[in-house]
Order: sequence, then structure tokens, then C-alpha cells
Amino acid sequence: DTAVSQTPKYLVTQMGNDKSIKCEQNLGHDTMYWYKQDSKKFLKIMFSYNNKELIINETVPNRFSPKSPDKAHLNLHINSLELGDSAVYFCASSPGTGPGIYGYTFGSGTRLTVV
Amino acid sequence: RKEVEQDPGPFNVPEGATVAFNCTYSNSASQSFFWYRQDCRKEPKLLMSVYSSGNEDGRFTAQLNRASQYISLLIRDSKLSDSATYLCVVNLFFGKGTRLSVIA
Repeated sequence: DTAVSQTPKYLVTQMGNDKSIKCEQNLGHDTMYWYKQDSKKFLKIMFSYNNKELIINETVPNRFSPKSPDKAHLNLHINSLELGDSAVYFCASSPGTGPGIYGYTFGSGTRLTVV
Repeated sequence: RKEVEQDPGPFNVPEGATVAFNCTYSNSASQSFFWYRQDCRKEPKLLMSVYSSGNEDGRFTAQLNRASQYISLLIRDSKLSDSATYLCVVNLFFGKGTRLSVIA
């Protein structure tokens, strides 16, 4: 039973396109996150939602728009894709408003390649 | 100044060795500390939370030093299967990871 699931696993698209990545968690967690892992393997927080409300937006370009229809889902829409958006995007969740003592549970990632 | 800093390595050690990683953080008000493990092309997985009093899980020991703002991870009796990247996490922020290769 997958705890945090993301789709698609791989996404190859051309510059200028708009794409979405979906994430769902079945852990009953209150908070969900998007992280970006670049080619240097650095994991950087992008957004955090608690019970559908945006609580963290780490100076991400406004081409990136997260949407949380309910607390089990957090989607990421990216407009006008650029080469520099190529990365692995990880969705994660945590029980409370932050990692607390239990930390994050990650999805398996979406490898985005912009050509 | 980066939120979380750690030595990227790589650390190449023989099986059975003891290896230690350190990580420093900038925000003295930080409350949540973790070590994660990430295998190649996989998601990060929680190795252990780090508590103020220090904690141990089998061959792994984690310590927190709030005064000096660093956390550490000690791995005893290294196994080949310990080869991975170890990520220090403080609140929302991940270090760049330390690559460990355990060699037979």
C-alpha cells in the first residue's frame, strides 16, 4: 500500500509547455510539501500546505502553482517550462504542521526533463 | 549562510569501519532534526530522528549539540548495504548530503 504516491514518474516535455504533477498521501497526514532536487542532488523546499492552506512558499517563481483540493492531495502545476526546471520533484507529507519528531514521508519522485 | 551544511564526502571506508558525519545548522531556534538516507535514484528515507539527549538505533547513533549547532551521525561496523548518501535535515531544510561508500 503506497503511502505517498506521485504521478507521473517521468515527464519529458518541451520548453514553454505547461505540465502538472499529482501527489496523494493515504497516511492521514495534515501537511504536504513539494521539494525540488536539482542535478547537484540538493533538496530544496518549494511549498508546504497544511490542511489545504499554503503555509510556506520559498521564493519559487510564480510559474509554479501548487493546489491542494483536500488534505490528502497536493498537485503542482508549472507554466512555461524552462530548461532550468529539469529536476526531480518530490512530494512529502508529515503528521503535524511541520516535521515534528516523525519527519517526512516522501513519494518516489517525478523526474522532469525539459528539452 | 546556508541553513544546513555538511561535508559532501565521499567517504570511502572498509567493511567493519566506524564512520562519523557532522552537520551544522544556522538557526538556533530549530526544533526538528533528522538523518535521512537516499539511495541512487530513490526517494529519501528516514534513518532516525535526533533527540536532544542523543539516541541510538542498532549500529547508528545520533547526537545533537545545540550550543555549537551541529548534529552528528555515527555508524559502527559498516556494512556494504550502508553505501548511500546521508542527508542531514533541520526543520524544513536538507543538507547537500554526504556520500558514503563501504568497500569489501
